[in-house]
Amino acid sequence: EAGVAQSPRYKIIEKRQSVAFWCNPISGHATLYWYQQILGQGPKLLIQFQNNGVVDDSQLPKDRFSAERLKGVDSTLKIQPAKLEDSAVYLCASSLLDRHNSPLHFGNGTRLTVT
Amino acid sequence: GESVGLHLPTLSVQEGDNSIINCAYSNSASDYFIWYKQESGKGPQFIIDIRSNMDKRQGQRVTVLLNKTVKHLSLQIAATQPGDSAVYFCAENSGGSNYKLTFGKGTLLTVNP
Repeated sequence: EAGVAQSPRYKIIEKRQSVAFWCNPISGHATLYWYQQILGQGPKLLIQFQNNGVVDDSQLPKDRFSAERLKGVDSTLKIQPAKLEDSAVYLCASSLLDRHNSPLHFGNGTRLTVT
Repeated sequence: GESVGLHLPTLSVQEGDNSIINCAYSNSASDYFIWYKQESGKGPQFIIDIRSNMDKRQGQRVTVLLNKTVKHLSLQIAATQPGDSAVYFCAENSGGSNYKLTFGKGTLLTVNP
């Protein structure tokens, strides 16, 4: 099966600019996650969708980050305006809804550098 | 603070040796654990998982051990190969049916030929 697709692979922007990342999950996976991974650390959950509804966005900095999952398939994550500390890899993951405790499948991420 | 951590940030082994990567978790309610492997420039790749009603689970060259008494998780890799060189993360589901994975900081495994 095709894996989780993410684009772009790399993005360099200046602080205060805006940026958007795109994710296409594995076909049939109802649950989609966005994680932030700062260099040298483990991934940190930003937001979790189940179909097109938000399950958990408690760690999403809502003053600058937003995410949507229209039609319950693809998702976009936006940062506006970006700060230096947003430099990280943004990982998208998906999992089956109907399998309790099924593993997350990750994409290769978008590496964001904010200068 | 994070509820999942690793004892060793780096581990260096010789090719062919067995590797053991350890992980401590603090949430006794966690019911599911996963080990991920992350190579440079790639996303985490699923290796093996274990539910809290099990103590041991084996895969191909990998074994995960769960000790709920001391809240400890380990990943054993048999006959370590250069391709095993990567960062290894343990993750726990602390959200129950809501399925919320929390990751530790990771251990860098280097396999010397």
